[in-house]
Amino acid sequence: GAVVSQHPSRVICKSGTSVKIECRSLDFQATTMFWYRQFPKQSLMLMATSNEGSKATYEQGVEKDKFLINHASLTLSTLTVTSAHPEDSSFYICSAMSGGLTDTQYFGPGTRLTVL
Amino acid sequence: AQSVTQLGSHVSVSEGALVLLRCNYSSSVPPYLFWYVQYPNQGLQLLLKYTSAATLVKGINGFEAEFKKSETSFHLTKPSAHMSDAAEYFCATYISAGNTPLVFGKGTRLSVIA
Repeated sequence: GAVVSQHPSRVICKSGTSVKIECRSLDFQATTMFWYRQFPKQSLMLMATSNEGSKATYEQGVEKDKFLINHASLTLSTLTVTSAHPEDSSFYICSAMSGGLTDTQYFGPGTRLTVL
Repeated sequence: AQSVTQLGSHVSVSEGALVLLRCNYSSSVPPYLFWYVQYPNQGLQLLLKYTSAATLVKGINGFEAEFKKSETSFHLTKPSAHMSDAAEYFCATYISAGNTPLVFGKGTRLSVIA
């Protein structure tokens, strides 16, 4: 199956700093990527939908100025958590799909962000 | 909007016993349904998906799910549980038709007892 990678897998940062998380589709072109957030022992919450070459669409309640998403190419989307605070600590997961009504979303391994 | 509901946040079975994880969907159109598994601190792995080709869908690791329109269900089963099956399982569907995000159930944690 298709492979999606995320980097880094784990990051610890100080409050106030910015953190960039990369999501790459390794063996297919992803026209659409999604970013999810998962709190401990909870389900995934969609943050935003990212289409290559266009602005991301954010879900209600997600601050677009805090969670900057860039989908510059068909294989790479980045999520930057700006001025991170402890409440931003979470597990961030991306997924990618190449398009089509019956297409499958392939998930990255996730990034554990801890803000001190 | 379409949605899924998982019944039971935690299911515990003995090794070798039948695994049954329940998922009901709400959809006004034929849905696309998915089961994903998540191991601790990892992303989601697709177990199987229903796309209306066949009502009984076989997936990886011996799992299968049956689409029952009359019951609006898509329960996940495995005849014999293995210790390695212990994980979190999520049922999901598209929010709407097309190239759209998935909406997930709340998840069911499966424990397997030796």
